[in-house]
Amino acid sequence: EVRLVQSGAEVKKPGESLKISCKASGYNFANYWIGWVRQMPGRGLEWMGIIYPSDSDTRYSPSFRAQVIISADTSIATAYLQWSSLRASDTAMYYCASLSETTANFDYWGQGTLVSVSS
Amino acid sequence: DIQMTQSPSSLSASVGDRVTISCRASQGISNYLAWFQQKPGKAPKSLIYAASSLQRGVPSRFSGSRSGTNFTLTISSLQPDDLATYYCQQYNTNPPRFGQGTKVEIK
Repeated sequence: EVRLVQSGAEVKKPGESLKISCKASGYNFANYWIGWVRQMPGRGLEWMGIIYPSDSDTRYSPSFRAQVIISADTSIATAYLQWSSLRASDTAMYYCASLSETTANFDYWGQGTLVSVSS
Repeated sequence: DIQMTQSPSSLSASVGDRVTISCRASQGISNYLAWFQQKPGKAPKSLIYAASSLQRGVPSRFSGSRSGTNFTLTISSLQPDDLATYYCQQYNTNPPRFGQGTKVEIK
């Protein structure tokens, strides 16, 4: 069974750094794209970017390039999303999602990590 | 950059009604179109992939179709459990992109 388990909720101040995680199990993590989706309060879903863990090929959506860093560690089957300097506008729920071999789409989702940024 | 235009943004229908949601891609994406359902406070759930293939376990009242770059999600008989926001998503190019979402309410 494929499972994606995300790290817990975070409360941070503007200007602080943050790295959240998504631990995968039940499939060959290195060989399937995995990515991050943002959902701001009361808003829709936005793809931030995706990574191919085996060679770290990373594709960012234009809106998020230079805003975040997506990385992965194949030794522990974990993907990461990190910020060097948070802003209040980064307050959102963040989901990780991985590619399904069967459908070629991102069918497997984590439970979400709520990030709150406030002074 | 492929844009996905989804309509309507919201709708209200009665139990048993037939509901349709539309999604248009700004350029060709072949059949690389999925539909997701997101219930309040939950992670999105994939309903349909490859424009018209139903995910395992999804009720047969859900169906998808394609005509060129226009895609449709149909709920043949709306049920109370279908209260949710529905998103189309193209996965022809990386990274994928969602439509704006359609909030479905029950009258």
